[in-house]
Amino acid sequence: DIVMTQSPDSLAVSLGERVTINCKSSQSILSSSTNKNSLGWYQQKPGQPPKLLIYWASTRESGVPDRFSGSGSGTDFTLTISSLQAEDVAVYYCQQYYSTFWTFGQGTKVEIK
Amino acid sequence: QVTLKESGPALVEPTQTLTLTCTFSGFSLNTNGMRVSWIRQPPGKALEWLARIDWDDEKLYSTSLKTRLTISKDTSKNQVVLTMTNMDPVDTATYYCARARSEKMLNYYYYYIDVWGKGTMVTVSS
Repeated sequence: DIVMTQSPDSLAVSLGERVTINCKSSQSILSSSTNKNSLGWYQQKPGQPPKLLIYWASTRESGVPDRFSGSGSGTDFTLTISSLQAEDVAVYYCQQYYSTFWTFGQGTKVEIK
Repeated sequence: QVTLKESGPALVEPTQTLTLTCTFSGFSLNTNGMRVSWIRQPPGKALEWLARIDWDDEKLYSTSLKTRLTISKDTSKNQVVLTMTNMDPVDTATYYCARARSEKMLNYYYYYIDVWGKGTMVTVSS
């Protein structure tokens, strides 16, 4: 299985500051036939199911605020929150859907400093 | 509007078989390019993909759990059922079902999860 490793495990950032979460896959998840990276980012608030934020590594899901953005290719990916809001406190997961067997990162907890 | 809801027992004894039902609306598993997956999350831990079933009845299971899992669908009822045998306390988790939407490129469907159910907590204990 493809192993997804996120960093850091947790971080505390002041309101309005930038948040950067990294996700690394154990092998490339870039498809040569489509030239797309099969990576999604999900936000999970306490007591709630995950919510899709980003797919194809950088495509924002409809309704997701534009302060959320995704980037990267191959094996290294980043989720950026440009200006942290109180409602962004959550655990963020990356997930690859390149392989038949889907795998998630271990999660990154974002808190307010 | 796509919604999914998981149902099943909250408590299961060790060695028993768990049966979970996912009842969904807003889409049909009769439609080309649709998929429903099961994912679980132990308390305070990360997400683990378990199984999936596609519109054409193709099924796939987690390598580590495949001997214990069975997934099936009833399109007339808009339901997907997951059974897990020989339950153990380490299987204590919130179990989610989720819809995966697809994009067809080069005659192949590419799926990613877009909508999750609220989840159902299952505790394995005697």
